[in-house]
Amino acid sequence: DQQVKQNSPSLSVQEGRISILNCDYTNSMFDYFLWYKKYPAEGPTFLISISSIKDKNEDGRFTVFLNKSAKHLSLHIVPSQPGDSAVYFCAASDVTSGSRLTFGEGTQLTVNP
Amino acid sequence: DGGITQSPKYLFRKEGQNVTLSCEQNLNHDAMYWYRQDPGQGLRLIYYSQIVNDFQKGDIAEGYSVSREKKESFPLTVTSAQKNPTAFYLCASSPRDSGYGYTFGSGTRLTIV
Repeated sequence: DQQVKQNSPSLSVQEGRISILNCDYTNSMFDYFLWYKKYPAEGPTFLISISSIKDKNEDGRFTVFLNKSAKHLSLHIVPSQPGDSAVYFCAASDVTSGSRLTFGEGTQLTVNP
Repeated sequence: DGGITQSPKYLFRKEGQNVTLSCEQNLNHDAMYWYRQDPGQGLRLIYYSQIVNDFQKGDIAEGYSVSREKKESFPLTVTSAQKNPTAFYLCASSPRDSGYGYTFGSGTRLTIV
């Protein structure tokens, strides 16, 4: 049972444009959501997070939106840069699972110069 | 500087041999995790430990074993019972409480020859 799903395995955008990465979840107990960025042959690094009590969190070029009624979150990157090309993982946690995160399958973002 | 170290970066083993992957952290984190990444399948949880001398199976524990004798260390043994061990292995750690996310190591690429 895949509780966190990223339905787009890949996304390609032009440099300077907006990148929108999507994530859906099924577990209504999830109360904290995170995005990680991963380059090949490296470990994922934390990018941005959002608590379920908020609907938006912004950090520089990165904004995460949470729609709890739709059980959907998205990551917006504006403007996109070639260095943003990486795999992006959505992750979620709930208080009953302690610190354990549930990850989506990842989306490969390619930003073309 | 605090961090999490995985060694070695690349590991080759003959089929039928057990192999142990190292993971050490100096972040004073209580919880540690092992994930496996395969192309198109995201991050799948193998084992996790919330406290010393205790660990739980994740979603794909068959053919793997772990120990947690020290807070700083969480080695993973890939046994000969693991049917398809060639993969990229990631170790992570976090505070025990939820909502803080993980710090990942840089990963170990295991290839069975």
